[in-house]
Amino acid sequence: DIQMTQSPSSLSASVGDRVTITCRASQSISRYLNWFQQKPGKAPKLLIYAASSLQSGVPSRFNGSGSGTDFTLTIGSLQPEDFATYCCQQTYTTPWTFGQGTKVEIK
Amino acid sequence: VQLVQSGAEVKKPGASVKVSCKASGYTFSTYAIHWVRQAPGQRLEWMGWINTGSGKTKYSQNFQGRVTITRDTSASTAYMELSSLRSEDTAVYYCARVNKWELTPSDYYYMDVWGKGTTVTVSS
Repeated sequence: DIQMTQSPSSLSASVGDRVTITCRASQSISRYLNWFQQKPGKAPKLLIYAASSLQSGVPSRFNGSGSGTDFTLTIGSLQPEDFATYCCQQTYTTPWTFGQGTKVEIK
Repeated sequence: VQLVQSGAEVKKPGASVKVSCKASGYTFSTYAIHWVRQAPGQRLEWMGWINTGSGKTKYSQNFQGRVTITRDTSASTAYMELSSLRSEDTAVYYCARVNKWELTPSDYYYMDVWGKGTTVTVSS
């Protein structure tokens, strides 16, 4: 199975901050990488697919980049509603696997 | 467009559970349905998927043959059954619609619509 590792596991930030989360795959996955946001007790919400394509309705402050094994999710200017857990997912091969998540907390 | 899942379940070890996922707002047989679970404090775990048109399925080997995914196209509903339950199966189970972005020569898949989740508790 392809292992997905995110860093950091958690971070504290303020409203307006620029936040960067990284995701590393244990082998090359081209651009078969999606990003989700999850709030407590809720289902994941798709933010980015194919490494850098913004899902419809998602604010443009969310940006994804990368290919191969290293990927990045950037939140350009953190908003109050962005405090949540973010996780990456590879769809290069089954079983599709997820990162462990990065919790973004209020500083 | 939404996926509505069945309600919470409490099961004893060794029993089976069957969770339903009813689709509305789109043509059910046009999109695959995948199942994902999340144990308390753990990462999301992919379980398997069904081609809702053909009924073809594929499962994660991590479940050692305990998971079965089916669908009823007349009811626009997919089902996930997990057998031989143990305490480690206590989790929230999600169904998700998978969409596809065709960018020749590659097809990119992504889970764009999710059910709200079904809590399954396994306890003696």
